[in-house]
Amino acid sequence: EAGVTQFPSHSVIEKGQTVTLRCDPISGHDNLYWYRRVMGKEIKFLLHFVKESKQDESGMPNNRFLAERTGGTYSTLKVQPAELEDSGVYFCASRKTGVSTGELFFGEGSRLTVL
Amino acid sequence: GNSVTQMEGPVTLSEEAFLTINCTYTATGYPSLFWYVQYPGEGLQLLLKATKADDKGSNKGFEATYRKETTSFHLEKGSVQVSDSAVYFCARFGSGGSYIPTFGRGTSLIVHP
Repeated sequence: EAGVTQFPSHSVIEKGQTVTLRCDPISGHDNLYWYRRVMGKEIKFLLHFVKESKQDESGMPNNRFLAERTGGTYSTLKVQPAELEDSGVYFCASRKTGVSTGELFFGEGSRLTVL
Repeated sequence: GNSVTQMEGPVTLSEEAFLTINCTYTATGYPSLFWYVQYPGEGLQLLLKATKADDKGSNKGFEATYRKETTSFHLEKGSVQVSDSAVYFCARFGSGGSYIPTFGRGTSLIVHP
């Protein structure tokens, strides 16, 4: 069974540019989460999908961030326009409702560097 | 809100030394508690978990006990190996109206031969 996959693994862009990160969850996992970790700090929650619906987007920092999960399968996270403070590692995680209490399955992360 | 506090790293140890990484959580409700590990170049993976007070989670020689009275879930290992070098994250999930897993800042462990 394939794990959670994220693309790209590393992206370097200039301030003001646009970047789109993609996450493919484990097949059949209805819950999908986006998190971000800035160097040395806690992994901060961004948003949570259940199937194609945004269940909780309280962690999204501002309207430069747009997340979608069309069809309830893969998800994208777009940052437009990117700012310096958006640099960090963006993690995607998934889980299947009712299977295991709270355990998340993570991708390897997408490292974003904004210059 | 719900939060998790971990000791700051890095923690640097010699092989076969005893390891403790402290973790405390906010006491809202009765969350499940987790330790995740991130090895270099990989994603986070679940190391162990405990779902109720006094439960002990264990895996790969690591242990952590859910202590409700001290709101703690400290990670311990009796004899670390070089291969244990990684970043360890404490996390809580559930209760208090929130079903969003909350993570600590991570503690880097470096084990020297």
